[in-house]
Amino acid sequence: DGGITQSPKYLFRKEGQNVTLSCEQNLNHDAMYWYRQDPGQGLRLIYYSQIVNDFQKGDIAEGYSVSREKKESFPLTVTSAQKNPTAFYLCASSVWGRVSGNQPQHFGDGTRLSIL
Amino acid sequence: GNSVTQMEGPVTLSEEAFLTINCTYTATGYPSPFWYVQYPGEGLQLLLKATKADDKGSNKGFEATYRKETTSFHLEKGSVQVSDSAVYFCALSDHGEAAGNKLTFGGGTRVLVKP
Repeated sequence: DGGITQSPKYLFRKEGQNVTLSCEQNLNHDAMYWYRQDPGQGLRLIYYSQIVNDFQKGDIAEGYSVSREKKESFPLTVTSAQKNPTAFYLCASSVWGRVSGNQPQHFGDGTRLSIL
Repeated sequence: GNSVTQMEGPVTLSEEAFLTINCTYTATGYPSPFWYVQYPGEGLQLLLKATKADDKGSNKGFEATYRKETTSFHLEKGSVQVSDSAVYFCALSDHGEAAGNKLTFGGGTRVLVKP
């Protein structure tokens, strides 16, 4: 079955460390997205990518970095510059283009990051 | 940019009660609305969507009608079950090449159904 795989499900980080969250999709989608979700709140867009080797900042990109070397993969690095990294991180993918606005995003099961 | 406002929770109901979650939006383009559901510890799942004005999306007993005149996409279910306990998100995407498929989310509404 096609879908989005995020790993690991739980991740712990020491202060000052960078950590990378994995996101892989086999839906053949062009676009991929990273969101942050804090307890009791909605989703905020961190970064998104429309095509391989290209990505754009979302609303809260500071302290995060991404790469898009393959269509299937969009890893997110939480750097030590992110002062409050504890959150639930969700990856999504979708088709992209002029007439894609009514196509849904498909989500992974998320990675919960905690600071030790 | 677009914005989505949905009623704050938590909403607590008894089994078989009627559920309504209000969602209104402001948008500058030609938006398409969605409802997503999130069960504890999981990602978001698409619940239903609409494409054009007066479209009614439906799935698993849930319904929502896209009302352009009131810029709303309220979610309803006639008889809820304990298994419907979750967080529900209203979201909006915009058409057009520049917008692509970026989504704007509401803050989510937690629903708790008691037996």
